[in-house]
Amino acid sequence: GAVVSQHPSRVICKSGTSVKIECRSLDFQATTMFWYRQFPKQSLMLMATSNEGSKATYEQGVEKDKFLINHASLTLSTLTVTSAHPEDSSFYICSAPNRGQSYNEQFFGPGTRLTVL
Amino acid sequence: GENVEQHPSTLSVQEGDSAVIKCTYSDSASNYFPWYKQELGKRPQLIIDIRSNVGEKKDQRIAVTLNKTAKHFSLHITETQPEDSAVYFCAASLSAGGTSYGKLTFGQGTILTVHP
Repeated sequence: GAVVSQHPSRVICKSGTSVKIECRSLDFQATTMFWYRQFPKQSLMLMATSNEGSKATYEQGVEKDKFLINHASLTLSTLTVTSAHPEDSSFYICSAPNRGQSYNEQFFGPGTRLTVL
Repeated sequence: GENVEQHPSTLSVQEGDSAVIKCTYSDSASNYFPWYKQELGKRPQLIIDIRSNVGEKKDQRIAVTLNKTAKHFSLHITETQPEDSAVYFCAASLSAGGTSYGKLTFGQGTILTVHP
């Protein structure tokens, strides 16, 4: 299989604090992972591409200093939302391709619901 | 970069009817086109995908067609059931090579409601 987990599934924090979200590939290695954000009733928007052992690549309009990404191992990428504000409240989802199973298919984590008060 | 347009935004059908959702894409280099079903608060689930070297693919009640020349692809669901009700997203990506490798660009989504 190709299972991707995320932790936490839900987090509520106060404005100004930082929140770390973990994305793990449980049964495969992922040199690349993707982070998406989904606002209510909207589509998934790619935020950044996380690359193992190198810097993340951010999409236009995404602040790299606000959304810190670390991909320190072949099975773990973390997204840290720094100095979170209410407008950062969203559903954050990661995905990873399992090249050994399917060259194209992305496997999604279950998502993290972030609420900033 | 890639841009994917999806229509309609909402679709209401009676149980047993067919449903069709259409998408267009802008980057002729895109060569992988998945379709996802997403239920509220859950991760997207891949329901079918197609690569650019294929014009049509079918899996039971679900089919996808691709017109590379016109840069559009469509999802067809036949004999719809109430449990098909969800939000459906199309997406496009480059399946190999380049800095865009694997990045998915999603359409805006279609809320499908199947009435019993």
